[in-house]
Amino acid sequence: SVLLYQKPNRDICQSGTSLKIQCVADSQVVSMFWYQQFQEQSLMLMATANEGSEATYESGFTKDKFPISRPNLTFSTLTVNNARPGDSSIYFCSSKVGNTGQLYFGEGSKLTVL
Amino acid sequence: GEQVEQLPSILRVQEGSSASINCSYEDSASNYFPWYKQEPGENPKLIIDIRSNMERKQIQELIVLLDKKAKRFSLHITDTQPGDSAMYFCAAHSGGSNYKLTFGKGTLLTVTP
Repeated sequence: SVLLYQKPNRDICQSGTSLKIQCVADSQVVSMFWYQQFQEQSLMLMATANEGSEATYESGFTKDKFPISRPNLTFSTLTVNNARPGDSSIYFCSSKVGNTGQLYFGEGSKLTVL
Repeated sequence: GEQVEQLPSILRVQEGSSASINCSYEDSASNYFPWYKQEPGENPKLIIDIRSNMERKQIQELIVLLDKKAKRFSLHITDTQPGDSAMYFCAAHSGGSNYKLTFGKGTLLTVTP
């Protein structure tokens, strides 16, 4: 398995501001994935981030709104730009182990936008 | 893209009985089906998975069944305990170079003493 640490675990921000979430893996991983989960709802894949290349975004998520960096094989950041109350949710980074397909999640970062 | 339907959304069972959650998928190329358990305030944790070359897999009290023809898979928890109370998510991965798990909407399981 892989352990993923996220920071901050929770944050409150004002509308219009930006917030950065960091994810650190305890081992090198090829791909990191960012998921959004609204309260008691399902997990939505936002984007896939590979080292040294632009993140690939899923429908409904854009680079301008949610820029993602992946500078090396253990680290990624997700930024929420121009935060709105509708962005209030939990953001999870995740990664899979080798070719097993098994996906592991970070602890999550709960964002509340006022 | 892949769509995964999960039912029921809410399930309440008595301790010691079995609980079953059913999922269906659309993409016949999907080849990997994990199940996640998420407790309040926690991250989703992988509890069991099954690949398309299998029809049944069991880990202790967890049984997963896969019917590729019908494009359905299910999780069965035997001898449920209060500690099994949580949100459960099924997911499906389409084969291919781009790894992507599509999740069901989740089942909130409550096991009553």
